[in-house]
Amino acid sequence: EDQVTQSPEALRLQEGESSSLNCSYTVSGLRGLFWYRQDPGKGPEFLFTLYSAGEEKEKERLKATLTKKESFLHITAPKPEDSATYLCAQKTSYDKVIFGPGTSLSVIP
Amino acid sequence: DVKVTQSSRYLVKRTGEKVFLECVQDMDHENMFWYRQDPGLGLRLIYFSYDVKMKEKGDIPEGYSVSREKKERFSLILESASTNQTSMYLCASSDPRGPGGANVLTFGAGSRLTVL
Repeated sequence: EDQVTQSPEALRLQEGESSSLNCSYTVSGLRGLFWYRQDPGKGPEFLFTLYSAGEEKEKERLKATLTKKESFLHITAPKPEDSATYLCAQKTSYDKVIFGPGTSLSVIP
Repeated sequence: DVKVTQSSRYLVKRTGEKVFLECVQDMDHENMFWYRQDPGLGLRLIYFSYDVKMKEKGDIPEGYSVSREKKERFSLILESASTNQTSMYLCASSDPRGPGGANVLTFGAGSRLTVL
């Protein structure tokens, strides 16, 4: 069964303290790995799409990378406004998008 | 910017009531989706539609139905609400012709439904 897991469930960082979020997925015809950001009371907002191992995408303090079994979202020198829940999702060969449970990130000033 | 608007942010209903959740998108997207989001379970796909009058079951369609009479509107219907349908419901749309193709979902703000 296709599945997406994320770790840690929650992460608390000091402002400026870099870290990484992990997304592990089962490979059954992977056709895209996605990262979304969700603020409280809002719907998820698209960040990145990765399609093949070795691919990297960057946006401000965020960088997403992809290997054959997992993806990382690296956060460099985070700021309090980076606090949110980060969702990872996988598109399968059956054209479904499966979401992980998310990592709740808190950045403390 | 693409906007996906969900008509109700908060609803409280009683067990057995019929519930309608409305979703409208304003950018001519072909694909529309309904997800529910529960703590620890992530987003789970209920139904989706790739065209007017067309609908496909997602992973958890039981207890739900949908209607897509117009391209911009996708409605989720709970025929007889039950307490285990208390959840956050998220509508999304995508455009296979846009940047990133059908993979990039644009979400509404969500509808939080409580069934008593």
